[in-house]
Amino acid sequence: DTEVTQTPKHLVMGMTNKKSLKCEQHMGHRAMYWYKQKAKKPPELMFVYSYEKLSINESVPSRFSPECPNSSLLNLHLHALQPEDSALYLCASSQGLAGTTDTQYFGPGTRLTVL
Amino acid sequence: GNSVTQMEGPVTLSEEAFLTINCTYTATGYPSLFWYVQYPGEGLQLLLKATKADDKGSNKGFEATYRKETTSFHLEKGSVQVSDSAVYFCALRGNAGKSTFGDGTTLTVKP
Repeated sequence: DTEVTQTPKHLVMGMTNKKSLKCEQHMGHRAMYWYKQKAKKPPELMFVYSYEKLSINESVPSRFSPECPNSSLLNLHLHALQPEDSALYLCASSQGLAGTTDTQYFGPGTRLTVL
Repeated sequence: GNSVTQMEGPVTLSEEAFLTINCTYTATGYPSLFWYVQYPGEGLQLLLKATKADDKGSNKGFEATYRKETTSFHLEKGSVQVSDSAVYFCALRGNAGKSTFGDGTTLTVKP
């Protein structure tokens, strides 16, 4: 099973709201990722977790706050977002980070709209 | 740094036509190479991969060969179907957990 699940599928929020995106995998992978994808563009890396510790933060604004409660779950907490943050947010996982052969498996994404 | 260059789209083909989407890369070390496909409204699905020079990845009639001498990983399919209409991303995986993606190529197959 190579499935990564994400909830919710769609999310509409105002600029003063607080919401969270959730991601789950049961493949025993120890690396998990958040990407942001705008229409007709490739995914942009936001955060990488390795063994439940934040490994990479690609200078993402603090209104995005990641959390990795355990090896299967990854959350992205959202607060005071801007309309330009509207995008498809993709979660991915891989066996690890050290090997370049590790395949990333992506979830279906959460389509976020900020009003 | 690493980079991936894909042929610009969109690409429009008739059903049963031959498909080639070009991909070239620049990287240090020995990256792995991937093709992902994204259908409308969905996430990225792994289509195929190759982890070393001269490896051929294949899946669902699609093929790509890792050519180190030309730093290329072109995607091919002998006979496309309407259901192959999607955006295709070439990617490489380097060190420290970072993947580098091409800009994507939109394929439309007409009946």
